[in-house]
Amino acid sequence: NAGVTQTPKFRILKIGQSMTLQCAQDMNHNYMYWYRQDPGMGLKLIYYSVGAGITDKGEVPNGYNVSRSTTEDFPLRLELAAPSQTSVYFCASSYWDTDAWSNSPLHFGNGTRLTVT
Amino acid sequence: AQKVTQAQTEISVVEKEDVTLDCVYETRDTTYYLFWYKQPPSGELVFLIRRNSFDEQNEISGRYSWNFQKSTSSFNFTITASQVVDSAVYFCALSEADFNKFYFGSGTKLNVKP
Repeated sequence: NAGVTQTPKFRILKIGQSMTLQCAQDMNHNYMYWYRQDPGMGLKLIYYSVGAGITDKGEVPNGYNVSRSTTEDFPLRLELAAPSQTSVYFCASSYWDTDAWSNSPLHFGNGTRLTVT
Repeated sequence: AQKVTQAQTEISVVEKEDVTLDCVYETRDTTYYLFWYKQPPSGELVFLIRRNSFDEQNEISGRYSWNFQKSTSSFNFTITASQVVDSAVYFCALSEADFNKFYFGSGTKLNVKP
């Protein structure tokens, strides 16, 4: 059981380049999230999804795009990379049980360390 | 306004000391969940505990214990007889009734010195 898998682990981009951070989960979780963590700081929500085909903005969505075509995958797209996007990116998933009215904890991937120079 | 406040930015203790990490949350919902996560120097985020708003019983797991008090909107975390391996950043988080989002505090960095 792999849990939440993020690729790549590290990446260096030049200003203006684009890339996609991949995230996949195999726990059949309905909710998925992207967070960024700047050095010495907490986690800020970029985008989240409550199910396939549904996405919504978090606190810091500018400069990013997401899609959720399947339950398992939630890629994060960076267009025109800027130095301000240098950060560690975490993908996470959780399960909302409508019958039990209960939310599972967030399960995190191991992160992608991105540097934009 | 901050939904989750961790006022202690950094704490340093000597091994075997007890240490308490504070977490204060803000919500108008009657149903919500509180969480603690650990982020060791290696960088991954490790889930420690989940508590729902209807369960105010304190919980103990080995050297870890959690004190949930709705009257003061606090969910504090105590490590008894701290060890060097406890050195990490600890995050408190809140999930409210819409359950779509998790709000994280800014984290408390714990340094346990031998």
